[in-house]
Amino acid sequence: RKEVEQDPGPFNVPEGATVAFNCTYSNSASQSFFWYRQDCRKEPKLLMSVYSSGNEDGRFTAQLNRASQYISLLIRDSKLSDSATYLCVVNEFRGFQKLVFGTGTRLLVSP
Amino acid sequence: EAQVTQNPRYLITVTGKKLTVTCSQNMNHEYMSWYRQDPGLGLRQIYYSMNVEVTDKGDVPEGYKVSRKEKRNFPLILESPSPNQTSLYFCASSPGTGQPSTDTQYFGPGTRLTVL
Repeated sequence: RKEVEQDPGPFNVPEGATVAFNCTYSNSASQSFFWYRQDCRKEPKLLMSVYSSGNEDGRFTAQLNRASQYISLLIRDSKLSDSATYLCVVNEFRGFQKLVFGTGTRLLVSP
Repeated sequence: EAQVTQNPRYLITVTGKKLTVTCSQNMNHEYMSWYRQDPGLGLRQIYYSMNVEVTDKGDVPEGYKVSRKEKRNFPLILESPSPNQTSLYFCASSPGTGQPSTDTQYFGPGTRLTVL
């Protein structure tokens, strides 16, 4: 079983749609959680951290369910520029940052 | 501008020819790390360094070496590259605050390596 699992997609959605990505992780001792965005062949960039209470940043909402070891990302009012691969990232934190990456979910937003 | 830089960005080489990929950060970060990214496998950690002269193996260290003689630089060395090391490589750094929720990593632009 992979440590961090994501549906690879692609998710094809029209502009303006709402889309949700899910991610599960296997290590119950994981300390913190992130969503990174990666454009084709470029470096991953931090999109947002994920907190147990849920957090929102504009059109993006992230949620964490520690009991189910499940993380979600919701994108509202999709834009063409949202087309990218979204990486679910878990920090197992062993006194230092130990990031474990999912393989990513690809999103394609069309006009 | 705060950034992580890598050189070269693209490299085609032949089996067995030693090469070094440089990584430098200007943010005074304690922690640096190297990853490789392959299709269907996600990013996997090769080596990391918690501070100067302190390095340790990640998940896929075989065939690689690193050094951390200065805080800002963390070169990746392939002593005898092989075709299975063809990959996209990313260097990353983070402050090393010890706070898991805020100690996020910043990535360099990547080095695309092809070993023939």
